[in-house]
Amino acid sequence: TQLLEQSPQFLSIQEGENLTVYCNSSSVFSSLQWYRQEPGEGPVLLVTVVTGGEVKKLKRLTFQFGDARKDSSLHITAAQPGDTGLYLCAGEKLASGSRLTFGEGTQLTVNP
Amino acid sequence: NAGVTQTPKFRVLKTGQSMTLLCAQDMNHEYMYWYRQDPGMGLRLIHYSVGEGTTAKGEVPDGYNVSRLKKQNFLLGLESAAPSQTSVYFCASKQDGYEQYFGPGTRLTVT
Repeated sequence: TQLLEQSPQFLSIQEGENLTVYCNSSSVFSSLQWYRQEPGEGPVLLVTVVTGGEVKKLKRLTFQFGDARKDSSLHITAAQPGDTGLYLCAGEKLASGSRLTFGEGTQLTVNP
Repeated sequence: NAGVTQTPKFRVLKTGQSMTLLCAQDMNHEYMYWYRQDPGMGLRLIHYSVGEGTTAKGEVPDGYNVSRLKKQNFLLGLESAAPSQTSVYFCASKQDGYEQYFGPGTRLTVT
């Protein structure tokens, strides 16, 4: 059973379009992280959100943590081919030994 | 500063063979983790360590063993490989309160 449900699993869009990726759970997390992974490499952290309702912006990427700290979203504005990659959300619970639970990932392809 | 390194990068095993994957970090991190990544499954935690000499089970520990004899190294062992263990294995390390840093991965195929 996947603790974190990520949707959609695959997304193929044209350059310039906007998109949103969702990460949902029935569990409460002390923090939620978003990673981006390129083929043949390990995931690289994009952002960590820790407060319910928190919104963080990273250039064209906007991350939101739900008020109840059970869900999160990643919105990309005016997507570019360089945004292509696997996006993973991961939640950390209190007293978990700093363990992360990952979602299934969203494979994003941005076509020129 | 190499960060997190993994050895080997690729390996093909026959069913029943054994092998050890090595993870090394030069950031003096306390915590280390072993994950496996399969299509459509994200990353799943196999075993982890919160300090030198300690290990603990993650979500999918069966068929794997680990050791953390030195702070900078975390070894993942497969005693008798099975085709179900075909996967990409990632090691990560972190310091408490900070992010996890991932290695480049080891692609293992068991035939």
